[in-house]
Amino acid sequence: AQSVTQLGSHVSVSEGALVLLRCNYSSSVPPYLFWYVQYPNQGLQLLLKYTSAATLVKGINGFEAEFKKSETSFHLTKPSAHMSDAAEYFCAVESSASKIIFGSGTRLSIRP
Amino acid sequence: GAVVSQHPSRVICKSGTSVKIECRSLDFQATTMFWYRQFPKQSLMLMATSNEGSKATYEQGVEKDKFLINHASLTLSTLTVTSAHPEDSSFYICSARDPMKETQYFGPGTRLLVL
Repeated sequence: AQSVTQLGSHVSVSEGALVLLRCNYSSSVPPYLFWYVQYPNQGLQLLLKYTSAATLVKGINGFEAEFKKSETSFHLTKPSAHMSDAAEYFCAVESSASKIIFGSGTRLSIRP
Repeated sequence: GAVVSQHPSRVICKSGTSVKIECRSLDFQATTMFWYRQFPKQSLMLMATSNEGSKATYEQGVEKDKFLINHASLTLSTLTVTSAHPEDSSFYICSARDPMKETQYFGPGTRLLVL
C-alpha cells in the first residue's frame, strides 16, 4: 500500500533562509505525489504534483520538489522563506484506487 | 475559482442531532468523491469513498451507520453525521475527482462543532 512519511512535525527557519520539508514515500509502482499547504482555519491548496513527467516539479509561490526514486523521497524546497509561508504542509500520495493518502504534516514557522 | 464547494462552511449543533454536509463539483461530473476528517493539529484522515449510484466504501474504523454518505448525482455527495456527539466535532473536507483531467479537487471544508 502506498504511504508517505514526513520527517519533522515542526520546522522553523529565518525569513530569507532555505526551506526544506522532507517527505519519503512507499509505493510499489510509480506514484503520483503531491504537496499541499493549509493556512490556519482554511482548506487545502495544491502546491505541486508529480506525475512522472519530470523529476523536478515547480509549484506555486516559489516552491519546488524533486522526485528521487533512489531515495524514495519527494522533498519540498523554497530558496528564500517569506513570512507568508508560515502554514501546515502535507505531503500526499495517490493510491491505485485514486485515494489520496496524507502524511502527518509539517508545521513551518518563519522567524523574522 | 473554486471547482468544489461545501455547504455549510460552519455548523454548530446540539448533541444527538444530525447534520448534513454537501459537497458539489461545480465544473465537472465526479463519479468519485472522497470524505476526509481532520482533528485539530492533525492530518487529514480518509473516511470513505463516495461512488455515484452505488454504496460508499468506508475506511477501516469508520462507522457507516454514523456517517451516512449519499452520492445521488454526478455533482453532489452528502455526508450526514447522525446523532452527533461532541467527539464528532472536527473539520470535514471533501474532494471530487475529475475523470477527464485525472485530478482531484478539494473543497474548502466544513467545521462542525457539536455542543
